[in-house]
Amino acid sequence: ETGVTQTPRHLVMGMTNKKSLKCEQHLGHNAMYWYKQSAKKPLELMFVYNFKEQTENNSVPSRFSPECPNSSHLFLHLHTLQPEDSALYLCASSPPGRSNEKLFFGSGTQLSVL
Amino acid sequence: SQKIEQNSEALNIQEGKTATLTCNYTNYSPAYLQWYRQDPGRGPVFLLLIRENEKEKRKERLKVTFDTTLKQSLFHITASQPADSATYLCALGEETGANNLFFGTGTRLTVIP
Repeated sequence: ETGVTQTPRHLVMGMTNKKSLKCEQHLGHNAMYWYKQSAKKPLELMFVYNFKEQTENNSVPSRFSPECPNSSHLFLHLHTLQPEDSALYLCASSPPGRSNEKLFFGSGTQLSVL
Repeated sequence: SQKIEQNSEALNIQEGKTATLTCNYTNYSPAYLQWYRQDPGRGPVFLLLIRENEKEKRKERLKVTFDTTLKQSLFHITASQPADSATYLCALGEETGANNLFFGTGTRLTVIP
């Protein structure tokens, strides 16, 4: 295990639903990330938080809303999603210092939008 | 346009042989390159990092090379085992501390007993 826990592991939602993905780490890391992984596509960075402050929003549609209440927890709030948003959503964290040089990923949430 | 290409989507090799996976990039200036392993239904797991001024890195049965002239990294697994079967991802970082890593689509390796 990497020390990064994501819940739920699987999620099926309709286009009008609102749901949230949760990620937590107790590794003492200060940076947390959301990535999207679609079939046959590279991992896409969505959001980055450093010390609870959002430092990157990679042109993500507003139907995805991140929240980082503290350095150990990260949420991704979902509403009015589209079927093309179905993917594996991965949370990652990285230690202080050279923050991007080793990412610790969770197991992901496999999201299906119907 | 920027591209990261991993040599093939899938690679099958016989147990005991050396697996060689390729990562080629275009229009990037990486400060370092990483390799991750991803098993089905799981997140990627960090394996190795190699910096632009390093030619080679080793860790147990793993070896990574980095050629900035050829814009290529090679990832070798020697004495491969069925347990090495997984998808392997390369990722580029363009400057130390920057938040974005650029990932390839991965190569699915199957080691046949």
